[in-house]
Amino acid sequence: GENVEQHPSTLSVQEGDSAVIKCTYSDSASNYFPWYKQELGKRPQLIIDIRSNVGEKKDQRIAVTLNKTAKHFSLHITETQPEDSAVYFCAASPTGTASKLTFGTGTRLQVML
Amino acid sequence: GAVVSQHPSRVICKSGTSVKIECRSLDFQATTMFWYRQFPKQSLMLMATSNEGSKATYEQGVEKDKFLINHASLTLSTLTVTSAHPEDSSFYICSARDLRGGSGNTIYFGEGSWLTVV
Repeated sequence: GENVEQHPSTLSVQEGDSAVIKCTYSDSASNYFPWYKQELGKRPQLIIDIRSNVGEKKDQRIAVTLNKTAKHFSLHITETQPEDSAVYFCAASPTGTASKLTFGTGTRLQVML
Repeated sequence: GAVVSQHPSRVICKSGTSVKIECRSLDFQATTMFWYRQFPKQSLMLMATSNEGSKATYEQGVEKDKFLINHASLTLSTLTVTSAHPEDSSFYICSARDLRGGSGNTIYFGEGSWLTVV
């Protein structure tokens, strides 16, 4: 089955700096890679996703890059703000109606004032 | 985005009793829903895949007789924790796949349910 590794486990940045979180996956059949933000005690919220037919996707301050050859993908947050502080999870899944997401172990991001 | 609703958000039960958690897709039909368990400061661990009209598919190590899943309609899946014990205390969260239009693989999560077994 799929195995997703995520680094770092914790990340502290100064407000305004950029944050980068990296994930690797093992199953070459995976072609859907979402990123979720989870605040304490709340549901994961989809913040951006990328499919294997593109290498990069951007939405305002958030971008995701995908390297299918190397089987890794990254989340980039620019101009970080205190409200970006949360736990971020990457995930991978093959296409299909019953395909399940395999999650990374999470990164706790703290944006310091 | 699509809406997935989960109920109850918090429940406390006595050891040995059973607890039912509901997961509903409010504005779309979901033939497949997923149930996760999350311990504090840990990732989401898939417990089972709920399939409408058929038996759920359980992940390795998850007891199907303890965690009963029913997906009787295209908008509702339920998870029943039977004979609950304190070690079952956790955050349980469901998700559903939205296949409408160009959503493709987009998966949305319910609010989650905090279960405390005393």
